[in-house]
Amino acid sequence: NAGVTQTPKFQVLKTGQSMTLQCAQDMNHEYMSWYRQDPGMGLRLIHYSVGAGITDQGEVPNGYNVSRSTTEDFPLRLLSAAPSQTSVYFCASSYSYGRTPGVHTQYFGPGTRLTVL
Amino acid sequence: AQKITQTQPGMFVQEKEAVTLDCTYDTSDQSYGLFWYKQPSSGEMIFLIYQGSYDEQNATEGRYSLNFQKARKSANLVISASQLGDSAMYFCAMREGPFGNEKLTFGTGTRLTIIP
Repeated sequence: NAGVTQTPKFQVLKTGQSMTLQCAQDMNHEYMSWYRQDPGMGLRLIHYSVGAGITDQGEVPNGYNVSRSTTEDFPLRLLSAAPSQTSVYFCASSYSYGRTPGVHTQYFGPGTRLTVL
Repeated sequence: AQKITQTQPGMFVQEKEAVTLDCTYDTSDQSYGLFWYKQPSSGEMIFLIYQGSYDEQNATEGRYSLNFQKARKSANLVISASQLGDSAMYFCAMREGPFGNEKLTFGTGTRLTIIP
């Protein structure tokens, strides 16, 4: 198993550009999510999905879009990049608590470091 | 109010000593879970240990144990016999609410440095 994969690892954008951060998992996890990590603030939830076709907003969703057409993939779209979106982005996945007893771990991808100039 | 509070921004510990990283949480839910993750300088998030709110025993995973005090709403991570490779950021996180809710709320982290 590759686990959770993210591409690209690094990206530099200019203000106003759009791009998509890719996330894929091969563990058949129902739940997938995107977090951003900023210095001194821990990780904050952007968007999440409890299954294909179902997405919802997290704590800091503004400026980001997601979709989930398959179980495996959960891309994050930046619509019009702003310097405030400079951050490290993590994708995570897990089985859904209650559906798979005893399995509670969320697995994280390696992260994407995004700089918006 | 902060849902997860980690009051130690940084800690320095001598190699081979035990270390306790503090975490307090705030929730009104009866069903919740507490996680600890390690983030080394390479940046990846590594799951260490999990404690469910209904678990009667404290969780243990090798050198890691979770000191769960439900009434005090604390979930401290204890690392026994610390090693140089334990130097990293450590994050406490909480999942709240009913089955199917996997959203995690993270604390701001503690940077642990092990001194040879």
